[in-house]
Parts: sequence; C-alpha cells; structure tokens
Amino acid sequence: RKEVEQDPGPFNVPEGATVAFNCTYSNSASQSFFWYRQDCRKEPKLLMSVYSSGNEDGRFTAQLNRASQYISLLIRDSKLSDSATYLCAVFYNTDKLIFGTGTRLQVFP
Amino acid sequence: IAGITQAPTSQILAAGRRMTLRCTQDMRHNAMYWYRQDLGLGLRLIHYSNTAGTTGKGEVPDGYSVSRANTDDFPLTLASAVPSQTSVYFCASSREGNSPLHFGNGTRLTVT
Repeated sequence: RKEVEQDPGPFNVPEGATVAFNCTYSNSASQSFFWYRQDCRKEPKLLMSVYSSGNEDGRFTAQLNRASQYISLLIRDSKLSDSATYLCAVFYNTDKLIFGTGTRLQVFP
Repeated sequence: IAGITQAPTSQILAAGRRMTLRCTQDMRHNAMYWYRQDLGLGLRLIHYSNTAGTTGKGEVPDGYSVSRANTDDFPLTLASAVPSQTSVYFCASSREGNSPLHFGNGTRLTVT
C-alpha cells in the first residue's frame, strides 16, 4: 500500500460546481498535512495546511479525519482558473514530506 | 526576491556522465529537499536535509547523492547517469520539519 493515496481523476466539472478530493495516508503518527496545487509544467505551490479542526480559505475548505486517516479538500463555486492538479502531502517523522500522485481537476465553461 | 533557485533549467545528458543539479535558497530555511516527478508516479522524495551538515534518504535515493555544507545550498549529484533518471527534479525548502515546503522552478533532465 502506498503511504499517501489519491484518486488520480480527472475530475471534469462545470463552472460553479462543488468538487471534493480525498487523500488517505498510512502512518497514524503523522502530524502535518498539506494541499498543494500544481499547474502544468510548473512547481507545486502551497494551497493550504490542514488542521485537526478543519480550516477554510475563501472557496477552499480542508478537513482532517485522524480516525479514518484521510484528508479532504472541498472547492466551492469552481472557476476555470481552478483547473490544475491537486496534491496532498503528509509529513512522516517530521522530516519526510510524502506526496500523493495528485488529482487532476478540469473546470469547463 | 527571496526564494529558491535551481540550475540548470534543463539539461540533456549522455548516460554514464556525472551531473550536479544546483539548488540555493535565501530564506534561511533549515530544511531542504530533492524530489523527482514522473508521469503517473507523482513527486517522490530523493534526499532531504533537516539542517546544515546532515542529510537523509528519501523514497528513491539510489543513484543520487547530496551534501549540505551550509544553510543555503543543497546540490544533488548523479554520479553516473542512467536513462531511468530522466525526470523533472524539484528542490524545496522549509523553515523546519513539519512546516510547508516551498519549491524551486525545477530542472528538466533527459538522460540519453
């Protein structure tokens, strides 16, 4: 089993839709979790950190479920500019950030 | 502008040649990382360094070496390149362990 797993998609959604991605991790001792966004042929960029209490940044909401060992990302009111690959990342032992393979999102008009 | 600088941007390399990918950051971050990204496999950690003078192995360290002589620089060396090392290589840094990573622009390496 991979340490961090994501559905690769692609998710094709119309503008204005709500879309959710899940990411599962195998190490129950992990302490830090993140969502990154990556555009084609570009470097990953931090979208948001994921906290136990859940956190929201505009149209984006991240949740952590420690009992089931998954993190989620919810995007509301999707924009064309949200089209990208979304990567979840989990820290192991505070020194290794392990990424999922990414979920591709395509928002169409 | 503060950030991470990688060089070269791209390189075509003959198999068997030695190559060093350079990475420099000016954010005074303690931790630095090297990843490779391949289609369908995502980002995989090669080596990391929690602080100057220390390094550690990631998920796919074989065929690569690193050094961390100072806080700012974290070069990645391929001693004898092979075609399976064709990839996009990203360097990243973070303030400390468990902190978010900031990435460089990447180096696209082709080994022929």
